[in-house]
Amino acid sequence: QVQLQESGPGLVKPSETLSLTCAVSGYSISSGYYWGWIRQPPGKGLEWIGSIYHSGSTYYNPSLKSRVTISVDTSKNQFSLKLSSVTAADTAVYYCARLIRGYYDILTGSYEDAYYFDYWGQGTLVTVSS
Amino acid sequence: QSALTQPRSVSGSPGQSVTISCTGTSSDVGGYNYVSWYQQHPGKAPKLMIYDVSKRPSGVPDRFSGSKSGNTASLTISGLQAEDEADYYCCSYAGSYHRFGGGTKLTVL
Repeated sequence: QVQLQESGPGLVKPSETLSLTCAVSGYSISSGYYWGWIRQPPGKGLEWIGSIYHSGSTYYNPSLKSRVTISVDTSKNQFSLKLSSVTAADTAVYYCARLIRGYYDILTGSYEDAYYFDYWGQGTLVTVSS
Repeated sequence: QSALTQPRSVSGSPGQSVTISCTGTSSDVGGYNYVSWYQQHPGKAPKLMIYDVSKRPSGVPDRFSGSKSGNTASLTISGLQAEDEADYYCCSYAGSYHRFGGGTKLTVL
């Protein structure tokens, strides 16, 4: 069973950098798949932040791209998020998740494209405040 | 980029069916068959219910079904049960971008 667990400071000061780590168990990141970060401000909806492949290839939400860095450490089986110059608007529950971008269909015998998040961490609340 | 449009709330009685819509554009929902739906109970992480518009992961009851027409995707829950009361979010691939809907609160009366 794949499990993800977020960790990091629960309080960050404005203008500083938010740093979170997602530890993966039950699956080796180096075996494949994309991994991603999604956030949810209190009482609001979900927002995709960015995703990374086990090789280190990344793509980000254009609205956050200038402030976001996602990296992967296959030796520790974890990936990380850094969000710089934070403001109160960055206060949210941050989730890490596994992103499926394709799969082998046993029935058709072919590779099928797909885009969905199948395993999620429990989430961690990060508050931006002085 | 704004969120996909979902109704703020829907409701239904046990045993009834409800449908939640998710409206986007030709750049996301209309352009790709990669719409997924997530169920979120209060204080919990989202759970995948539907992927690729209409496919169900193993373990998800067949009461949950998905469809798409043009720029609008829909999640239908039939035979409503009390435990279906939750927030539901759609998500669409949009070409190197994943756009979520604003979420819909389902109330089981």
